[in-house]
Amino acid sequence: DAGVIQSPRHEVTEMGQEVTLRCKPISGHDYLFWYRQTMMRGLELLIYFNNNVPIDDSGMPEDRFSAKMPNASFSTLKIQPSEPRDSAVYFCASSSHRGSGNTEAFFGQGTRLTVV
Amino acid sequence: GENVGLHLPTLSVQEGDNSIINCAYSNSASDYFIWYKQESGKGPQFIIDIRSNMDKRQGQRVTVLLNKTVKHLSLQIAATQPGDSAVYFCAESRYNQGGKLIFGQGTELSVKP
Repeated sequence: DAGVIQSPRHEVTEMGQEVTLRCKPISGHDYLFWYRQTMMRGLELLIYFNNNVPIDDSGMPEDRFSAKMPNASFSTLKIQPSEPRDSAVYFCASSSHRGSGNTEAFFGQGTRLTVV
Repeated sequence: GENVGLHLPTLSVQEGDNSIINCAYSNSASDYFIWYKQESGKGPQFIIDIRSNMDKRQGQRVTVLLNKTVKHLSLQIAATQPGDSAVYFCAESRYNQGGKLIFGQGTELSVKP
């Protein structure tokens, strides 16, 4: 398996524009997570899905952020309109639930977003 | 801006020495704890985890210690190598959350050859 695949790797956009980040989880994984990383706040969980259903979106900063998972192999994180403070590295991760055992989350390479 | 304010704690060690990276956690209800390694330009990578009912777990060149009394976690790396240079994060999680991670601040490990 190629691991978690994110696109694009880098995105530079102007303030006010819509940004869409994409993620392909590892095949067979039933959990998908979106994290954001900044120097100020570290790694923060934005939202996670189980079997394509959003379970916890309490980390989504505001209504400008939305995430979807239309099927088991694809998810998007959308920011509309984007603002300079949204500049960060956004990571997607996936995991497979193994009963009561630990569930290792595998991370993608991230999308570095710069809003100017 | 993104780079203003927070500076990661830094640990600098000589190649071949042992490294100890520490972490304090907050949630007594967490079921397990994980250490992740993040190299520049990459996503975090799993190193080792430990269940809350254990106090020590060993892997290849790494050992994790858990002290629930003081909510403290440590990662020991034996015979540190230049390839170990990275930012190390501790994280906590619960079994019923499929791997949802709450990350600590991170420590930057720098290995001098």
